[in-house]
Amino acid sequence: KQEVTQIPAALSVPEGENLVLNCSFTDSAIYNLQWFRQDPGKGLTSLLLIQSSQREQTSGRLNASLDKSSGRSTLYIAASQPGDSATYLCAVTGNQFYFGTGTSLTVIP
Amino acid sequence: SAVISQKPSRDICQRGTSLTIQCQVDSQVTMMFWYRQQPGQSLTLIATANQGSEATYESGFVIDKFPISRPNLTFSTLTVSNMSPEDSSIYLCSAGTASNTGELFFGEGSRLTVL
Repeated sequence: KQEVTQIPAALSVPEGENLVLNCSFTDSAIYNLQWFRQDPGKGLTSLLLIQSSQREQTSGRLNASLDKSSGRSTLYIAASQPGDSATYLCAVTGNQFYFGTGTSLTVIP
Repeated sequence: SAVISQKPSRDICQRGTSLTIQCQVDSQVTMMFWYRQQPGQSLTLIATANQGSEATYESGFVIDKFPISRPNLTFSTLTVSNMSPEDSSIYLCSAGTASNTGELFFGEGSRLTVL
């Protein structure tokens, strides 16, 4: 069974820093990988979708990479802002969607 | 992209009662799912809502406890039956336009507290 792990579980950084969130998965036979943001008590907002044939996707200050062979993805956030504070989840798609446990990010003004 | 509306956004219920959560998508989608997210946890898939037929439930979830309807391509309901405090969670509706390669979208969630 696919297992998705996100490290670290929590991260606190000062405003303006660049940061990297990590996602690893055990089965490389995936169709795509998706990064989400979740604010407390709310639903998930899709940030980036990377198809299995792609290596990276970019949206604004966000850049996500995918290395299927090593079972890893990273989400890079440039010039972090307090509004980036949220929980970030990754999900991989095999025969169903498998979610990681999330990284709780706090950006300190 | 798809915009998903869920209601209620939150509710406080008494033990033993049932609550139905509605999910409306603004476009026709192939896949609709219901997830549960318990406090501090990641998402757990309850079931896949199938249009016009019985939902496909994951291990640990049964139709008697979580009946699901999906009468058309844009609407689904999840009922949490005979609630207990252990059912207190956020329930999330999600939808996608393709079985495996498409993007997954979520509603705002329904936060349920059972007293």
